[in-house]
Amino acid sequence: GQQVMQIPQYQHVQEGEDFTTYCNSSTTLSNIQWYKQRPGGHPVFLIQLVKSGEVKKQKRLTFQFGEAKKNSSLHITATQTTDVGTYFCAGFSGAGSYQLTFGKGTKLSVIP
Amino acid sequence: DGGITQSPKYLFRKEGQNVTLSCEQNLNHDAMYWYRQDPGQGLRLIYYSQIVNDFQKGDIAEGYSVSREKKESFPLTVTSAQKNPTAFYLCASSSTKTGMLNTEAFFGQGTRLTVV
Repeated sequence: GQQVMQIPQYQHVQEGEDFTTYCNSSTTLSNIQWYKQRPGGHPVFLIQLVKSGEVKKQKRLTFQFGEAKKNSSLHITATQTTDVGTYFCAGFSGAGSYQLTFGKGTKLSVIP
Repeated sequence: DGGITQSPKYLFRKEGQNVTLSCEQNLNHDAMYWYRQDPGQGLRLIYYSQIVNDFQKGDIAEGYSVSREKKESFPLTVTSAQKNPTAFYLCASSSTKTGMLNTEAFFGQGTRLTVV
């Protein structure tokens, strides 16, 4: 079945430093989604990427979708304590597929 | 107030007992999902359903069962056959239309199940 791998599993950064998490799929994805889960909370949708090579920005967050639609990244510039949480990527294996598979997530800690 | 509701938030059961977790949504979403979350394991898909009266096994369906008799409801039963049922269970739903890409998944608050 489809596998979505995410690295690193944990990342500790000093406040103000940048942060990047990477996501790789064993199969081509029709689209990829990113979610954030705050400690004690539930995952909340951040963004969806659809096109090959697509780049989207949300303030300090930059999301990229690979040319082959098998990998993606999330980059946070100048982290803040409010960025703390676990970031997940998730993908559907093909158009019309309903099976949404998540990566294991990257847990971000920000040291003030 | 639209959303997806899981109940209860915390659940305790004795080993060997079946337990059913509730998930209700009023978002008119077709697709619904159950995930299990363990520390360091991310979200693992248990079952998912595209439409009423249809559901598919995910990656870790053994020891679990579901039903989808109504569009709004997708209850999950953790059976006594599940070897390690203590976990955080998350239900989600999403909207899709024929020929269109899947949209974002909305999650419930989760149910933390402890089996003793």
